[in-house]
Amino acid sequence: DVKVTQSSRYLVKRTGEKVFLECVQDMDHENMFWYRQDPGLGLRLIYFSYDVKMKEKGDIPEGYSVSREKKERFSLILESASTNQTSMYLCASSSNQGPGEQYFGPGTRLTVT
Amino acid sequence: AQSVTQPDIHITVSEGASLELRCNYSYGATPYLFWYVQSPGQGLQLLLKYFSGDTLVQGIKGFEAEFKRSQSSFNLRKPSVHWSDAAEYFCAVSGEDTGFQKLVFGTGTRLLVSP
Repeated sequence: DVKVTQSSRYLVKRTGEKVFLECVQDMDHENMFWYRQDPGLGLRLIYFSYDVKMKEKGDIPEGYSVSREKKERFSLILESASTNQTSMYLCASSSNQGPGEQYFGPGTRLTVT
Repeated sequence: AQSVTQPDIHITVSEGASLELRCNYSYGATPYLFWYVQSPGQGLQLLLKYFSGDTLVQGIKGFEAEFKRSQSSFNLRKPSVHWSDAAEYFCAVSGEDTGFQKLVFGTGTRLLVSP
């Protein structure tokens, strides 16, 4: 089974702090994704990566950056956390083989105070 | 660009009754379509997918969905709902213009199951 793990289930940070969210997948997938999920808005794509050191902006990249130094690991960085970044963050991965179904981690609920 | 509409924000179904969750998509060519389920506090789990062939697809947990090109729909069904099916359900679409790798999600339908 595909396993996608995220470093924290719950995180509380202060405004202005630098925040790192880590995601690891164990299925050698080429593609990895970061979403944020807010009530009534569904999932919105922040960034995705289709190869090591490659990244593309999603729909809402402002205030975020990403890093992919190894194929299995994709990090989301909040350079200076703000209260409007309080949300559920979901990581996913997918293979280039097949129709592109994504496999999700359990999510990190981030609260910025 | 693709888009997905799930017109029902909440649905309440009695345990044992049948269920249909609606999903309409917008995409010019043949889409790839997915249904995911999210239990409270969890990530998303793939229920089923359609990308070609038989338009009625079977998934896990007794769910099925039917692709209707003429109606641009991919509705999710289950003949008899169990209390454990209470969750949020997301429909998603991908297409050739993104290499079939980026998914566009609907806003979700929350299913409540009454005893």
